[in-house]
Amino acid sequence: EPEVTQTPSHQVTQMGQEVILRCVPISNHLYFYWYRQILGQKVEFLVSFYNNEISEKSEIFDDQFSVERPDGSNFTLKIRSTKLEDSAMYFCASSRTINTGELFFGEGSRLTVL
Amino acid sequence: AQSVAQPEDQVNVAEGNPLTVKCTYSVSGNPYLFWYVQYPNRGLQFLLKYITGDNLVKGSYGFEAEFNKSQTSFHLKKPSALVSDSALYFCAVSAYSGGGADGLTFGKGTHLIIQP
Repeated sequence: EPEVTQTPSHQVTQMGQEVILRCVPISNHLYFYWYRQILGQKVEFLVSFYNNEISEKSEIFDDQFSVERPDGSNFTLKIRSTKLEDSAMYFCASSRTINTGELFFGEGSRLTVL
Repeated sequence: AQSVAQPEDQVNVAEGNPLTVKCTYSVSGNPYLFWYVQYPNRGLQFLLKYITGDNLVKGSYGFEAEFNKSQTSFHLKKPSALVSDSALYFCAVSAYSGGGADGLTFGKGTHLIIQP
């Protein structure tokens, strides 16, 4: 069964460092998403991406964040200068169609900012 | 703005008994409603969705959910619980804006614990 894969599974970084989280969505999916889940809190929407551009982003997704689909298979989330409060589990997701909600999630990348 | 409320942090049910995990929502326009399940150290897995049509929707692993427009609820149910159903359950809502891929808004999650 096709699945969304994410790397790394866990990354520890120093405050102020840049971090890139990588995702390989399901191959025939057209819509890509990043969500995050701070420990013990709800899953929060960050950004959606379609046709090589951002479709929607939340208030969390400020200028420190960027997304890219550099080579037609990977979908990356970059945090330019990490803050302590960026520590969270980051989930990538993809879907075949718009707004039907059947998102397929990866297993997440845990980011720890020290 | 859309929102989801899951009023129970934890639900405990004996194996074989029926279970209900509650969810209420707030959204402008017609809601798209979803349930996802998260097992430890795993990503979220889609269980079921309501877009339109029958108010009772059936999903994976014997789960079902009932859409109640007047009560703005979408409770998750299962007639007979299994120990393997123990996990974290998230309700989510989306509202079609006619434009881009709107993100899902998730509730805070409910821990379901099935006791043998």
